[in-house]
Amino acid sequence: QQQVKQSPQSLIVQKGGISIINCAYENTAFDYFPWYQQFPGKGPALLIAIRPDVSEKKEGRFTISFNKSAKQFSLHIMDSQPGDSATYFCAASMGGGGSNYKLTFGKGTLLTVNP
Amino acid sequence: DSGVTQTPKHLITATGQRVTLRCSPRSGDLSVYWYQQSLDQGLQFLIQYYNGEERAKGNILERFSAQQFPDLHSELNLSSLELGDSALYFCASKQGATGELFFGEGSRLTVL
Repeated sequence: QQQVKQSPQSLIVQKGGISIINCAYENTAFDYFPWYQQFPGKGPALLIAIRPDVSEKKEGRFTISFNKSAKQFSLHIMDSQPGDSATYFCAASMGGGGSNYKLTFGKGTLLTVNP
Repeated sequence: DSGVTQTPKHLITATGQRVTLRCSPRSGDLSVYWYQQSLDQGLQFLIQYYNGEERAKGNILERFSAQQFPDLHSELNLSSLELGDSALYFCASKQGATGELFFGEGSRLTVL
């Protein structure tokens, strides 16, 4: 049972464009929604995260939009750069990200930003 | 550099064998998490330890076991290996009740 569904599997964007990755979840007990960025040969690294009490969070060129009623959240990368080319994972967990949480990951989106 | 150290980086072994993967968390981090990453299953949570005690279990096979030692490093033991166990195994650590989860660079296991 896949509790977090991520789309698209791959995405090609031109430099300066907007990259949009979507995720949908099933478990209404999830209350922490991070996005991770992974470069080849490296481990995932936290990019940005949101809790369900807000509908949007922005950090630099990265924005999470959250729709609690639809159980969906998305990552928007503005002014996409070739250095953003990586695999992006959405995730969800319960317990507000506390010490006993475990993340459930989406299957990832391979983003390629062409120069 | 996340500060989480995993060894070995690469490991090739045969079916039926046993291997041990090691993880040193960031200084001061009490929680250690193990994840398996494969092409078809993505990132799957295996198990979590907090200050030496098992706290949560995910999709970990009975052939796999883990422990966290008093110095907080952790080991993941994989036995009776099968071809399907070939994957990247990540360790991650976190300090306390809140905060970021930091991943190591992973151990790539190939079972032939």
